[in-house]
Amino acid sequence: KQEVTQIPAALSVPEGENLVLNCSFTDSAIYNLQWFRQDPGKGLTSLLLIQSSQREQTSGRLNASLDKSSGRSTLYIAASQPGDSATYLCAVGLGGQNFVFGPGTRLSVLP
Amino acid sequence: DTEVTQTPKHLVMGMTNKKSLKCEQHMGHRAMYWYKQKAKKPPELMFVYSYEKLSINESVPSRFSPECPNSSLLNLHLHALQPEDSALYLCASSQDRSGSDTQYFGPGTRLTVL
Repeated sequence: KQEVTQIPAALSVPEGENLVLNCSFTDSAIYNLQWFRQDPGKGLTSLLLIQSSQREQTSGRLNASLDKSSGRSTLYIAASQPGDSATYLCAVGLGGQNFVFGPGTRLSVLP
Repeated sequence: DTEVTQTPKHLVMGMTNKKSLKCEQHMGHRAMYWYKQKAKKPPELMFVYSYEKLSINESVPSRFSPECPNSSLLNLHLHALQPEDSALYLCASSQDRSGSDTQYFGPGTRLTVL
């Protein structure tokens, strides 16, 4: 059974810092991996999708990498801003619309 | 238009009520999903409709009943719910039946069962 974990569970940083969020999964037979952002009480916003054949994806200040063999993905956020404060979740795609989410990292960026 | 809409935003119901949650997308996506999310927990997949075929998470109780009237609409019918069913219910859609595409989520319906 695929299990997804995220470290750290919570993170508080001053504005302007570069930071890394980690996602680990137990079974390397994945279809893709997606990073989401969720604001309190709201739906999820897709940030980046990495297919299993890819190593990384970039969008603006965000960069996500994928190492299938080691069961890891990282989300790098450059020059963090208070507006980046949210919960960040990774989700592993197992194929056939079957996704397993990690528990999330709660990020607070302090002005 | 990359929007998934959900109604209502909030719903309070008693354990004997029957209600429905609605979800709509106009992106031409052929896969739509219902997720349940408890506070400070990740979303849990409940149902998937892909090309009009339903896949069910076997742990979901029968008091939840999905319906897909057409490829743009997805309903979740609720009957005889329990207080532990109180949660944020999220709808999502994606383009591809293989699950290789981005999922787009709606804002959710906050359900409270009294």
